[in-house]
Amino acid sequence: NAGVTQTPKFQVLKTGQSMTLQCAQDMNHNSMYWYRQDPGMGLRLIYYSASEGTTDKGEVPNGYNVSRLNKREFSLRLESAAPSQTSVYFCASRAGESEWRELFFGEGSRLTVL
Amino acid sequence: AQSVTQLGSHVSVSEGALVLLRCNYSSSVPPYLFWYVQYPNQGLQLLLKYTSAATLVKGINGFEAEFKKSETSFHLTKPSAHMSDAAEYFCAVSDGGAQKLVFGQGTRLTINP
Repeated sequence: NAGVTQTPKFQVLKTGQSMTLQCAQDMNHNSMYWYRQDPGMGLRLIYYSASEGTTDKGEVPNGYNVSRLNKREFSLRLESAAPSQTSVYFCASRAGESEWRELFFGEGSRLTVL
Repeated sequence: AQSVTQLGSHVSVSEGALVLLRCNYSSSVPPYLFWYVQYPNQGLQLLLKYTSAATLVKGINGFEAEFKKSETSFHLTKPSAHMSDAAEYFCAVSDGGAQKLVFGQGTRLTINP
């Protein structure tokens, strides 16, 4: 059981380039999330998808777009990368929207924008 | 809005010593509270969670946390540290709704031999 799988694990971009981070979960979870992790700032929510066919902005959505391709997959796209988007990105999923349910995380994608 | 404060971005203890990681939250209603652990180069995984069933919550790997409403705290403890406990620990509070899990800034735990 792979859980939450993210690709790529590492990526270096130049300012202005675009890329897509892929995320897939095999736990039949309804809700999926994208977070970014920066030193001293914890995790901040970029976008989330409560269920297939819906997406909503989180705390820091500017510069990003998302697609919930199907129940399993949730991608994050940077259209024009900026150095401020250098970060570690985590995808997570949860069985439902209930506040008490735990999040399951992928191993992260480390992105550097030069 | 909810917020979480973790006191101390870096905590260092000796192997076998008590581990105490502090977390305070702000909430106008009884919250759901979580502790997650992140080992090097890995994603976060759940250590334990408080959902109002009991104020003392036991988690994996010998960790536990006590919910104290009067102090708005949810500190994480372990009686005897092990080298394998070296990791970063995040406290989080649910702010209501699917999207609003607010994380603290994290505490890096170092274990000295």
